[in-house]
Amino acid sequence: QVQLQESGPGLVKPSQTLSLTCTVSGDSISSGPYYWSWIRQPAGKGLEWIGRIYTSGSTNYKPSLKSRVTISLDTPKNQFSLNLNSVTAADTAVYYCARIGGYNYEFDHWGQGTLVTVAS
Amino acid sequence: FMLTQPHSVSESPGKTVTISCTRSSGSIASNYVQWYQQRPGSSPTTLIYEHNQRPSGVPDRFSGSIDSSSNSASLTISGLKTEDEADYYCQSYDDSNQVFGGGTKLTVL
Repeated sequence: QVQLQESGPGLVKPSQTLSLTCTVSGDSISSGPYYWSWIRQPAGKGLEWIGRIYTSGSTNYKPSLKSRVTISLDTPKNQFSLNLNSVTAADTAVYYCARIGGYNYEFDHWGQGTLVTVAS
Repeated sequence: FMLTQPHSVSESPGKTVTISCTRSSGSIASNYVQWYQQRPGSSPTTLIYEHNQRPSGVPDRFSGSIDSSSNSASLTISGLKTEDEADYYCQSYDDSNQVFGGGTKLTVL
């Protein structure tokens, strides 16, 4: 079955870049029709969609984060990545990667999530 | 657009509860609505997809619907169990965005 696993630093300093990778198994990120997405959740708060990338490499980002976010595919490694620059404490959250169905736009598979804390 | 949910609801075991999700602009019927359950410390899981479809393994106590007149979607849970206590999120999309509702905390007491 499809599994996703986030990895990356758990602590990032303010003003630096948060970088996370999602490793996918049980499916090829280059086969469609799927999007691959990042979502975050600050402690005690709701889910916030960050952005998505299609199998073709086209991307969409949440408008309020667009200036700071890049999502990319690494097809040979079957991974996709998130870069969020100029981070502040407000970016502290559990970050999830997920697969989105290309027909109904359901988040049908999720990673377990990884906590990223922004602090000096 | 935004999806607005009540912050919290509570009901007794065995009863029925309905959680609403109102779309601020655009038709609720024009894009599928999904519902997710999230228990503390866990990733969300799908309860309802495509407005009213249940994945295999989800009990039929959970049902989804949409109402175009109020531009909203609803998740109804009947025969409440203490294990249903969790956070519930609606989700939909448009051409370039995915949107989650703010989440509803369900207390079963």
